[in-house]
Amino acid sequence: GDSVTQMEGPVTLSEEAFLTINCTYTATGYPSLFWYVQYPGEGLQLLLKATKADDKGSNKGFEATYRKETTSFHLEKGSVQVSDSAVYFCALTLSGGSYIPTFGRGTSLIVHP
Amino acid sequence: DSGVTQTPKHLITATGQRVTLRCSPRSGDLSVYWYQQSLDQGLQFLIQYYNGEERAKGNILERFSAQQFPDLHSELNLSSLELGDSALYFCASSVSQGNTEAFFGQGTRLTVV
Repeated sequence: GDSVTQMEGPVTLSEEAFLTINCTYTATGYPSLFWYVQYPGEGLQLLLKATKADDKGSNKGFEATYRKETTSFHLEKGSVQVSDSAVYFCALTLSGGSYIPTFGRGTSLIVHP
Repeated sequence: DSGVTQTPKHLITATGQRVTLRCSPRSGDLSVYWYQQSLDQGLQFLIQYYNGEERAKGNILERFSAQQFPDLHSELNLSSLELGDSALYFCASSVSQGNTEAFFGQGTRLTVV
């Protein structure tokens, strides 16, 4: 079945460090890919998305590129802030049939001043 | 604000009891999904409804059931509650079943004592 695998956390960084959170997927069709962020005590919010191969999603300094050849959608940010501390979820959706948004297990990011 | 409303925000109940969680999707969204989030299991898909009909089932226990009403709000019923049912329950909605993002509510935190 369709699945998403994320690197395990927590990821602990100092402020202004470079961030990479790895995400790979397995899908039977041509998925759309998403990154969601969950701040403490809140629901998941869409951070960015890409709907086809080689698309780059970006938002709030975060970027991810849809790589079909490596089935990956790694999240990057050049300089993290303390306010970026949250749990990040990689997800995919497929059109048609029995549609279920499929999420990775989430990666906790902790940014220290 | 995602536009998805979940009530109640917190619920404390005893083992063996039954509770109902309510979700109002974003205006215009036909698809509703229920997820369970726990520390050890991550974000687990429970069930999906689309325009009043059940479309997909995930890891939903037989003690749990859901429905979507004509006004598109949805309810998740949890019965014969056990300590292990303590978790965050999220509702999400999307416009359709295609390659679109899901919008999440803030969740209901259920504690079974």
